[in-house]
Amino acid sequence: NAGVTQTPKFQVLKTGQSMTLQCAQDMNHEYMSWYRQDPGMGLRLIHYSVGAGITDQGEVPNGYNVSRSTTEDFPLRLLSAAPSQTSVYFCASSYGGDQETQYFGPGTRLLVL
Amino acid sequence: GESVGLHLPTLSVQEGDNSIINCAYSNSASDYFIWYKQESGKGPQFIIDIRSNMDKRQGQRVTVLLNKTVKHLSLQIAATQPGDSAVYFCAEGMNYGGSQGNLIFGKGTKLSVKP
Repeated sequence: NAGVTQTPKFQVLKTGQSMTLQCAQDMNHEYMSWYRQDPGMGLRLIHYSVGAGITDQGEVPNGYNVSRSTTEDFPLRLLSAAPSQTSVYFCASSYGGDQETQYFGPGTRLLVL
Repeated sequence: GESVGLHLPTLSVQEGDNSIINCAYSNSASDYFIWYKQESGKGPQFIIDIRSNMDKRQGQRVTVLLNKTVKHLSLQIAATQPGDSAVYFCAEGMNYGGSQGNLIFGKGTKLSVKP
């Protein structure tokens, strides 16, 4: 299994540009989530999904959209990038009934100029 | 609001010594707690978890202690090795009718192991 994969690894955007961060898992996990990590802070939940077709907001959802059309994929969209969205983004997944073991991807480093 | 925090932002220990990383939480309704290890440039890696109805759980070289009276969580690492150098996060979560609950992470403690 590849586990949780994220692309791209690095991205530089200009303010106002849009982009999609990709996340995929091959473990047939029901639950997937997106976090952002800023310097000196822990991870903060952006959006999550408990299964295909179901998404919900986390702690910091503003400026981000998600969709879950398949079990494997959970893309995160930035509609109009802002410098405040400069961060490292992590995708995670877990079995629906196994809340503890969330598997994290390697992260996407995003810089918004 | 609810928060999960850490008492010590940095911890430096000698190789072979035991390490103790602390975490305070404020949500008494949390159902479980997790410790993650994050190495530089990588995503968090699950270490160990504990449910709210337990006060101690042991893994390989690691022990997590939960004190619900004072809302305190700790991670003990025995015989700390250079490979243990990383940032350690505690996180808390709640079960919602059997479905995944959201994790709330603390800010992290950086553990440095001196050879």
